[in-house]
Amino acid sequence: EPEVTQTPSHQVTQMGQEVILRCVPISNHLYFYWYRQILGQKVEFLVSFYNNEISEKSEIFDDQFSVERPDGSNFTLKIRSTKLEDSAMYFCASREGRRGEQYFGPGTRLTVT
Amino acid sequence: AQKVTQAQTEISVVEKEDVTLDCVYETRDTTYYLFWYKQPPSGELVFLIRRNSFDEQNEISGRYSWNFQKSTSSFNFTITASQVVDSAVYFCALRGGTNAGKSTFGDGTTLTVKP
Repeated sequence: EPEVTQTPSHQVTQMGQEVILRCVPISNHLYFYWYRQILGQKVEFLVSFYNNEISEKSEIFDDQFSVERPDGSNFTLKIRSTKLEDSAMYFCASREGRRGEQYFGPGTRLTVT
Repeated sequence: AQKVTQAQTEISVVEKEDVTLDCVYETRDTTYYLFWYKQPPSGELVFLIRRNSFDEQNEISGRYSWNFQKSTSSFNFTITASQVVDSAVYFCALRGGTNAGKSTFGDGTTLTVKP
């Protein structure tokens, strides 16, 4: 069964460093998402991406964040200058069509020290 | 705006008891989708079920059942004869029918099933 993959599974970085979280969505999917879950809290929407542009973004998704689909298979989330409060689990998701199922990846746990 | 409320923060039951997890939602979309996910301690989100707003049929899958009531904007989840392996955080989520279709999650209910 096709699945969304994410790398790395766990990343530790120092405050102020740039990080790139990588996702490989399911190959025929058209809609892509990033969500964030701070430890012990709910899953929060960050950004959606369709047709090579951001469709919607939340208040969390400020200028420190950016997304890219560099090569037609990867979907990345970049945090330019990490803060302690960016420590969270980051989930990538993809969806085939408007009514399709949204599939979540296993998540990347980001720890900012 | 979309909102999902899971009023039960934590539930603790003894194995073999039945347990119902409540979910109430708000949306202005006429077409929307409701979901339940299980999050075990390992952290991944395990998809359990999706319900379309235009399909109010309740569903049963083994020990799991779901009760969708559009009139009360509720989508409750019942586990029959709970097992220790059911211990996890359960999230209810709502996705609008628009193109962007982001999912809005509830705060989650932590279910502990004791032997």
